Amino acid sequence: AQSVTQLDSQVPVFEEAPVELRCNYSSSVSVYLFWYVQYPNQGLQLLLKYLSGSTLVKGINGFEAEFNKSQTSFHLRKPSVHISDTAEYFCAVSEADSNYQLIWGAGTKLIIKP
Amino acid sequence: NAGVTQTPKFQVLKTGQSMTLQCAQDMNHNSMYWYRQDPGMGLRLIYYSASEGTTDKGEVPNGYNVSRLNKREFSLRLESAAPSQTSVYFCASSEFGSTPLHFGNGTRLTVT
Repeated sequence: AQSVTQLDSQVPVFEEAPVELRCNYSSSVSVYLFWYVQYPNQGLQLLLKYLSGSTLVKGINGFEAEFNKSQTSFHLRKPSVHISDTAEYFCAVSEADSNYQLIWGAGTKLIIKP
Repeated sequence: NAGVTQTPKFQVLKTGQSMTLQCAQDMNHNSMYWYRQDPGMGLRLIYYSASEGTTDKGEVPNGYNVSRLNKREFSLRLESAAPSQTSVYFCASSEFGSTPLHFGNGTRLTVT
């Protein structure tokens, strides 16, 4: 993947509302796709991944993402957010022939409003 | 199960000083990585080690050196620190290159 774009640097949303965090990538070859979450003052942890198969993948904490090859997108969604979802979310992509090195988006801060 | 352990958690250096960041993983992973995280720039790969005995440059290797001491440990050395190296440094490991990364909690480094 030559680049990964997370279109929003911050997304404010009310508690219990749905949320979508957007991720687009540029690549002409097969890719693996990941979403990671970083809680304040912690390292990153895997939220979900797409390697192959069904384009709708489910992760931890009620999050899911859909791989759209034609749109080169991998948007993250949750139907109802909780205050504990406050964190920064990173999209990452690796190309199957690139020694699997990850290309990272700049991150999206999810801000939950009470 | 500790996962990936980084030391120290915080460090302040003066320009020109040297230091080594330590990283150890207890998951028997083959691959290990060093990233730096700067606001608005996501994570940038400094160096990685695909397997014990090998190391390779990442996106931003200048000013850094690494050592894969054994399968568990992967250290990052700043020989002559510069203010541009002020950042949060993360070590990560994975079973193989295509598998998900496990991160440490980071080292916050300030160079004055």
